Amino acid sequence: GAVVSQHPSRVICKSGTSVKIECRSLDFQATTMFWYRQFPKQSLMLMATSNEGSKATYEQGVEKDKFLINHASLTLSTLTVTSAHPEDSSFYICSASSVYSTDTQYFGPGTRLTVL
Amino acid sequence: KQEVTQIPAALSVPEGENLVLNCSFTDSAIYNLQWFRQDPGKGLTSLLLIQSSQREQTSGRLNASLDKSSGRSTLYIAASQPGDSATYLCAVVMDSSYKLIFGSGTRLLVRP
Repeated sequence: GAVVSQHPSRVICKSGTSVKIECRSLDFQATTMFWYRQFPKQSLMLMATSNEGSKATYEQGVEKDKFLINHASLTLSTLTVTSAHPEDSSFYICSASSVYSTDTQYFGPGTRLTVL
Repeated sequence: KQEVTQIPAALSVPEGENLVLNCSFTDSAIYNLQWFRQDPGKGLTSLLLIQSSQREQTSGRLNASLDKSSGRSTLYIAASQPGDSATYLCAVVMDSSYKLIFGSGTRLLVRP
């Protein structure tokens, strides 16, 4: 149980395009989802927290107009990187927690974004 | 601002050794502390979660301790195996927002 999937696992895009990453909780309802980014050999940095049906809360220094987060249902959250640039190349990981286990986050396998 | 530090950054040991990974945090008013494992290019697997009122948690060959007053946690791995090779991350939660603040990780290599 408690499986989180991400799609796609890898994406390569041209500079200036937008990329959407999906995060799904497969066997539970995720009241809260978190989005992280991870640069090579560095730790995870929280980008934003999203609760189903409400606007995401972004961490300081994260541009909300660049990283659009939507949490439209209890099993799906999306992160859209708009007008991507090479410096946005990173590993993006989502996690989800349920109302029954709010202090436990279940992590997705991550999405490797490369912007050329 | 909470800062989480992990020492060492990398560790290479022969199979069978017992080892200790260290995590320290600057603000002792934590809600809980968690240890995760990350394999290369993959997501995170939760290993152990220690609530602020607890001093240790055990799962199989893993034992994690927490000393809130000194801002330290250790992850003890007994009888290490090559399959334990991965990056180990500790993270703290400060409040009921459940936001995780991660350390930079320890990359472990267990040599056959």
